[in-house]
Amino acid sequence: EVQLVESGGGLVQPGGSLRLSCAASGFTFSRYWMNWVRQAPGKGLEWVANIKDDGSGKNYADSVRGRFTISRDNAERSLYLQMNSLRVEDTAVYYCAGAHPYNGNTHWGSWGQGTLVTVSS
Amino acid sequence: QSVLTQPRSVSGSPGQSVTISCTGTSSDVGGYEFVSWYQQHPGKAPKLMIYDVTKRPSGVPDRFSGSKSGNTASLTISGLQTEDEADYYCCSYAGSPFVFGTGTNVAVL
Repeated sequence: EVQLVESGGGLVQPGGSLRLSCAASGFTFSRYWMNWVRQAPGKGLEWVANIKDDGSGKNYADSVRGRFTISRDNAERSLYLQMNSLRVEDTAVYYCAGAHPYNGNTHWGSWGQGTLVTVSS
Repeated sequence: QSVLTQPRSVSGSPGQSVTISCTGTSSDVGGYEFVSWYQQHPGKAPKLMIYDVTKRPSGVPDRFSGSKSGNTASLTISGLQTEDEADYYCCSYAGSPFVFGTGTNVAVL
């Protein structure tokens, strides 16, 4: 069974940092692009960042570029999102989303259950 | 990166058909054959329903179909069922970023 399990969310003050993790199982993690997608409370989905299967390519939304860093450890089957200089508007549920079982990275068939990040003083 | 425009809500009775539009620009919807649709029930993760404009993942009922004309993509649910009541989001590749739609709530009356 394919599983993506996020962790690391919580309450942080504006300007603070947080590192999210996503543990993958049930598929060959190293073969697929991975993404972070977020959803502010009561709002729509927003793509945040993605990373190529071998980690050699990374892309970011304008809203997080320069503050967030996506990374992965294929040996550990894990995806990460380092979030620095957090703002109130970064408050959201953060989903780990994978291209599995599809090639490329234009749609995502595998999703985690999400982890809530709250940025507030 | 702007968002794609969807109607806030659509509704229909069981057995009826509803269509959700998703309007973008030539830089996203109109420029690529990479439009996907996601269904999201309250408190749950999104689920892929349509990809590459018209393709349906294994396990998705064939009452769900997708199309595109110019800068507007559409999702049609034929033979609406109570379990289809959810939020639906379109998504388009737009170069290196991706852009989502504003979301549409489908109500089954």
